[in-house]
Amino acid sequence: QVQLVQSEPEVKKPGASVKVSCKTSGYTFTTYGIDWVRQAPGQGLEWMGWISAYYGDTKYALKFQDRVTVTTDTSTRTAHMELRGLRSDDTAVYFCAILDLVVGFDYWGQGTLVSVSS
Amino acid sequence: DIQMTQSPSTLSASVGDRVTITCRASQSISSWLAWYQQKPGKAPKVLIYKASNLKSGVPSRFSGSGSGTEFTLTISSLQPDDFATYYCQQYGSHSQTFGQGTKVEIK
Repeated sequence: QVQLVQSEPEVKKPGASVKVSCKTSGYTFTTYGIDWVRQAPGQGLEWMGWISAYYGDTKYALKFQDRVTVTTDTSTRTAHMELRGLRSDDTAVYFCAILDLVVGFDYWGQGTLVSVSS
Repeated sequence: DIQMTQSPSTLSASVGDRVTITCRASQSISSWLAWYQQKPGKAPKVLIYKASNLKSGVPSRFSGSGSGTEFTLTISSLQPDDFATYYCQQYGSHSQTFGQGTKVEIK
């Protein structure tokens, strides 16, 4: 079965960078892209970006495009999301997901809490 | 980015009620809209994709309609398991966006 297992929680200082990992299994890795979505405490969902695991092309939300990079490593079947210049309002749970909304299925990681505090 | 406006932000209802949530896009997204359900501490789950297509395994009391800029999620008879937060998401442009969410509470 398809599984996405994310890296452990992180605590960072303002201005630092964080890299969240998403290790996949149960399907051919290059078949689907990986989306990244975050959720601040008590707040709504925020789409950050997407990467094609086959071609490597990316899409980013305007809000994040100067600070975020999403990558994949086909050899380890892992996707990564790096967010730079962290601020306190970047404190959130970060999710990776496979969202094939053309045919209607979704798989999600368990989420990774990133806390930003001085 | 396309803006998605959901209403209401909170909805109080009883078991058995018919519930409707609306989502409006700032520009046309054709039918590239999904609806999600999220419960506290859990990842969201897709209910509806392409505006009106029910994801396999989702109860038939959930339905979606609309196209262009106006969309609706309807729960025909609210069940105890349906008390949750619901989000719309557009994927009709280069960049996707979510609505701000609608929390369905017990009346």
